Amino acid sequence: SQQGEEDPQALSIQEGENATMNCSYKTSINNLQWYRQNSGRGLVHLILIRSNEREKHSGRLRVTLDTSKKSSSLLITASRAADTASYFCATRTDEYGNKLVFGAGTILRVKS
Amino acid sequence: NAGVMQNPRHLVRRRGQEARLRCSPMKGHSHVYWYRQLPEEGLKFMVYLQKENIIDESGMPKERFSAEFPKEGPSILRIQQVVRGDSAAYFCASSPSRQLYTIYFGEGSWLTVV
Repeated sequence: SQQGEEDPQALSIQEGENATMNCSYKTSINNLQWYRQNSGRGLVHLILIRSNEREKHSGRLRVTLDTSKKSSSLLITASRAADTASYFCATRTDEYGNKLVFGAGTILRVKS
Repeated sequence: NAGVMQNPRHLVRRRGQEARLRCSPMKGHSHVYWYRQLPEEGLKFMVYLQKENIIDESGMPKERFSAEFPKEGPSILRIQQVVRGDSAAYFCASSPSRQLYTIYFGEGSWLTVV
């Protein structure tokens, strides 16, 4: 069964607003990663958070991880039209795990 | 430093034909991963290879699909006797070692079976 599940499935916001996407997973993890995918393109790695971390920042991105609830959130602040894309969370179960398990993604549309 | 290179980017095959997708990892990377993305879904792991070795093929369909990563040349994902359900985007990713947390994805190969 799928490890990560994102919600919402789709999100439409105005430029300048913040966007929050959530991800839940089922089993213990070593780390959780967020990726962005523009339509028809490959995945771009955004940020990684390890299981012993609770929050991480990278530019306009903020990721939180709650291992007790098996959930993570990705916050994009001051969104731009160029942020329009699909966002996926992916989990890795151990340090040597070679499979990233992806959720179905959140489609974000930022209107200018 | 070129990224992960996949070709072809788009491939159309008739039912019953064979599809070959190629992946050249980033320079210095010896670990390759193949993922499949069905329309409006996330990526699903298929296979993990090192040079000349299949390490984990637990995500590969039992029939018609095979993968290799020879000592020289790109990794190849081969789909024999394609069916409409094989239509998907196939992504390759690479890393320099098994331990590295981040893997780098190519732009994908979009297979359409008609």
